[in-house]
Amino acid sequence: SAVISQKPSRDICQRGTSLTIQCQVDSQVTMMFWYRQQPGQSLTLIATANQGSEATYESGFVIDKFPISRPNLTFSTLTVSNMSPEDSSIYLCSGRQGSEQYFGPGTRLTVT
Amino acid sequence: GDSVTQMEGPVTLSEEAFLTINCTYTATGYPSLFWYVQYPGEGLQLLLKATKADDKGSNKGFEATYRKETTSFHLEKGSVQVSDSAVYFCALRSDNDMRFGAGTRLTVKP
Repeated sequence: SAVISQKPSRDICQRGTSLTIQCQVDSQVTMMFWYRQQPGQSLTLIATANQGSEATYESGFVIDKFPISRPNLTFSTLTVSNMSPEDSSIYLCSGRQGSEQYFGPGTRLTVT
Repeated sequence: GDSVTQMEGPVTLSEEAFLTINCTYTATGYPSLFWYVQYPGEGLQLLLKATKADDKGSNKGFEATYRKETTSFHLEKGSVQVSDSAVYFCALRSDNDMRFGAGTRLTVKP
């Protein structure tokens, strides 16, 4: 199994600023993902974080707004750039190990 | 594309009541099916899964059977507890993509 931690757990940010969220897995995972969960909504996949190369983004998400890094098999970061109130959401990191997919506790972001 | 449709709720039950949360899916291939649970203030935890038709996943008294003929994966529990209060997500994975349902909020009252 894998345990995923995220930092920060929550933050309140001003519009126009950027926030970087860190995701650490306690064991190697083959794939890592970033999801957004807006209040009362389901999960939406933002991108697949690829080790050593550019992330693969889903429709509606772009690298300039959500740059992602994955320098190794256990760590990834997601930056939310030039934030607006519409970016207020929970951001979840996820890792796949074999047939199992694990999730971090989420980062609750509020943009004022 | 592949998708999951789940009973949205919210669902409110008394303790020891029977629970069913409906989930149906649309997929071109042979997906694996999952139920995840999200307790207040926490991330998603895998509750149970099934990887092929007629498989039954079970955990903590919850069960779901992969029904290919009805493209369903309904979650059931015979006797819910207050501690089962959470949001439940049905999900499918085919190839590398995981798709989630809208989530069903369950509240169990003493």
